[in-house]
Amino acid sequence: QVQLKETGPDLVQLTQTLSITCTVSGFSLTTYNVHWVRQPPGKGLEWMGAMWNGGGTDYNSAFKSRLSISRDTSKSQVFLKMNSLQTDDTAKYFCARSRVSLDYWGQGVMVTVSS
Amino acid sequence: ETVMTQSPTSMSTSIGERVTLNCKASQSVGINVDWYQQTPGQSPKLLIYGASNRHTGVPDRFTGSGFGRDFTLTISNVEAEDLAVYYCLQYGSIPFTFGSGTKLEIK
Repeated sequence: QVQLKETGPDLVQLTQTLSITCTVSGFSLTTYNVHWVRQPPGKGLEWMGAMWNGGGTDYNSAFKSRLSISRDTSKSQVFLKMNSLQTDDTAKYFCARSRVSLDYWGQGVMVTVSS
Repeated sequence: ETVMTQSPTSMSTSIGERVTLNCKASQSVGINVDWYQQTPGQSPKLLIYGASNRHTGVPDRFTGSGFGRDFTLTISNVEAEDLAVYYCLQYGSIPFTFGSGTKLEIK
């Protein structure tokens, strides 16, 4: 069945780089897109960017040049990397699959940025 | 960026009632709007795609409508399990943008 699972650190130091892996099963990354969405504690959802099935990417300009999304199709993994972390980057980070709509989501990984 | 404004921010209703949640886009997005339900402690779940199409397994109590800038999600015969925050999402332009959510409380 379709599954997405995010793995990453619980805690990241201020100004350091966050790396999260989304490992998928039950579908191919060359057929479906994978998005990254985050949610600060008690707040709403924010779309960060996407890895399209053809290998291209799009990013939310709110993250300027801090954010990078890549993939390894042979391992069915999509990677999020974001540098220069600040305390307001503390959030749960989700990956989600789409053809058009985000129909399957991972459970998310909670990341705290600590000073 | 297309701003999605949801109203109300929160609402309280009784079991069996009908509620309407609203989402207004700052510019036309056609039918490129989804609705997601997030119950406490869970990941968001797709309810409605393309403004008015129920996702697989979604009860027909949930109805989406709208085009252009104005969209609604109607929940008929509210059940206790509908306690959640509901988000709209536009995917008509990059960046995709979510509304700030409507929290539905059950009296």
